[in-house]
Amino acid sequence: QKEVEQDPGPLSVPEGAIVSLNCTYSNSAFQYFMWYRQYSRKGPELLMYTYSSGNKEDGRFTAQVDKSSKYISLFIRDSQPSDSATYLCAMSALGGSEKLVFGKGMKLTVNP
Amino acid sequence: NAGVTQTPKFQVLKTGQSMTLQCAQDMNHNSMYWYRQDPGMGLRLIYYSASEGTTDKGEVPNGYNVSRLNKREFSLRLESAAPSQTSVYFCASSVGGVRELFFGEGSRLTVL
Repeated sequence: QKEVEQDPGPLSVPEGAIVSLNCTYSNSAFQYFMWYRQYSRKGPELLMYTYSSGNKEDGRFTAQVDKSSKYISLFIRDSQPSDSATYLCAMSALGGSEKLVFGKGMKLTVNP
Repeated sequence: NAGVTQTPKFQVLKTGQSMTLQCAQDMNHNSMYWYRQDPGMGLRLIYYSASEGTTDKGEVPNGYNVSRLNKREFSLRLESAAPSQTSVYFCASSVGGVRELFFGEGSRLTVL
């Protein structure tokens, strides 16, 4: 079993839809959970960062961590065509950024 | 504000040729990283430098060497390129620890 599993999609939704992106993981030591967004032919950029369990909200984006189920989610409300990108989850146990483990990324298209 | 700059953006090599990918950051970050991104494989760490003067292997270091030239610059060298090294290479930097990674725009390498 890989440490981090992410459905690669692709996922296509109409504008205004609520989008749910998910990752599961096997390493119970993971404490830091991130979501990166990567536009086509660009480098990834950090979207959300959560430490340990719980929810975090930033505008239309909500990150959730359920450590009991080893499951993290990113919700996008009122999705926009500008949200069309690949979304990568990443996670780490207590330690440096060199310990980050990335999911394979989910390609999202929001259709106008 | 340039952030993380990678050169070249595109390169085609023949098997056995050598080349160096250059990376520079202007954010005074301590840590720098080289990743490769392949379809279906996600981001994989090749080498990293936690601080000036140190380098360490990541998940997939074989066939590569790195040099942390100074605090700003971190280069990746392919001594004898192989078709399996065809990939998109990303340089990233961070303040240090589990912090936000800032990525460059990528270098697309094809080895024939």
